[in-house]
Amino acid sequence: KAGVTQTPRYLIKTRGQQVTLSCSPISGHRSVSWYQQTPGQGLQFLFEYFSETQRNKGNFPGRFSGRQFSNSRSEMNVSTLELGDSALYLCASSLVDKTNYGYTFGSGTRLTVV
Amino acid sequence: AQSVTQPDIHITVSEGASLELRCNYSYGATPYLFWYVQSPGQGLQLLLKYFSGDTLVQGIKGFEAEFKRSQSSFNLRKPSVHWSDAAEYFCAVETRGGGNKLTFGTGTQLKVEL
Repeated sequence: KAGVTQTPRYLIKTRGQQVTLSCSPISGHRSVSWYQQTPGQGLQFLFEYFSETQRNKGNFPGRFSGRQFSNSRSEMNVSTLELGDSALYLCASSLVDKTNYGYTFGSGTRLTVV
Repeated sequence: AQSVTQPDIHITVSEGASLELRCNYSYGATPYLFWYVQSPGQGLQLLLKYFSGDTLVQGIKGFEAEFKRSQSSFNLRKPSVHWSDAAEYFCAVETRGGGNKLTFGTGTQLKVEL
């Protein structure tokens, strides 16, 4: 079956711009979460969505936002980009079912802010 | 608050040698624990997970991990390392309740000498 699809794979933006990243989860997975990975801070949790509702949010400024659609696809948006937002953004989908539990990650979107 | 410590930032082993990567966690309830592997520029691939039951967990690619509650550890092992195992390895603990999220360790970079 298809895995978690993140688009685009690479993105270059200028400071002050905004960006939208997309994540299509595995079919049947209703939970989608987002993580930021940087060399300095490592892997940090951004937010989690389940059935179009944000259930959990990490310690990031309000410039970082997200949403989930009825088909479970998710987008995250970063407004007023800063150089420090350069990172690999990873999306993970999970099945809220203890018989087959786990998080499957996409290949990520590499965002470079110049 | 939950946390994960991976004390070894870099480890170098010879091909064919055994491997153990250390992971210590802090979490108030019964932990759900994961090991992921990441190749350069890629997403995270799940190696194995522990929820309950048998404390020795088998994963993909010949990896196993042992959960030791008394030591708050979840160390990853492989009896014979292959050159293709060179990558970065992340241990994670899941926080549940009010939404779920993974808290990751800082990772261990594995180098395999031929």
